[in-house]
Amino acid sequence: KAGVTQTPRYLIKTRGQQVTLSCSPISGHRSVSWYQQTPGQGLQFLFEYFSETQRNKGNFPGRFSGRQFSNSRSEMNVSTLELGDSALYLCASSFESVAKNIQYFGAGTRLSVL
Amino acid sequence: AQSVTQPDIHITVSEGASLELRCNYSYGATPYLFWYVQSPGQGLQLLLKYFSGDTLVQGIKGFEAEFKRSQSSFNLRKPSVHWSDAAEYFCAVASYLNTDKLIFGTGTRLQVFP
Repeated sequence: KAGVTQTPRYLIKTRGQQVTLSCSPISGHRSVSWYQQTPGQGLQFLFEYFSETQRNKGNFPGRFSGRQFSNSRSEMNVSTLELGDSALYLCASSFESVAKNIQYFGAGTRLSVL
Repeated sequence: AQSVTQPDIHITVSEGASLELRCNYSYGATPYLFWYVQSPGQGLQLLLKYFSGDTLVQGIKGFEAEFKRSQSSFNLRKPSVHWSDAAEYFCAVASYLNTDKLIFGTGTRLQVFP
């Protein structure tokens, strides 16, 4: 069974641009969560989707958005990029519940904003 | 506000020595508690989790963690560290009222000397 796949692995953008990151969960998993990882801040929860609906949201500005498709694949979008958005973005999937089921992580997309 | 604290940013131990990584949480009731490990260049992997029952939880790779309600702690332990345990370790919690939003601590980087 394939694991969680994130594409692309690396991205370089400039301030003001927008970016879309993709996540393909493990087959059969319906919950997809997104996290931002930066040195010193650890992992910060962005949002979680289940069956195409945003079920939970973290404390990030509206520039960060996401969606989930009927096949459970998910995308997150960051508009008007800022230097502080440089981070490793991690996606994770679980069967239905993040806490009650095991959550599996992808290797991440490293975004650099210049 | 709900929070997770990992007081130690960086820990160095010798191979074969015992290890304890600290985690404290601030929640109204017993939450779901997790420990994850992130090896360099890889995604996060679940080591163990706790919600109820025996307060001493066994995980993979020889790790265990003990839940202490009176201290709001969930410390991770290993009796004898191997060089391959060098990684970053994250404690995480989810409220029993919202089991689909995982909050992570800032992580503890473990360095192992031969």
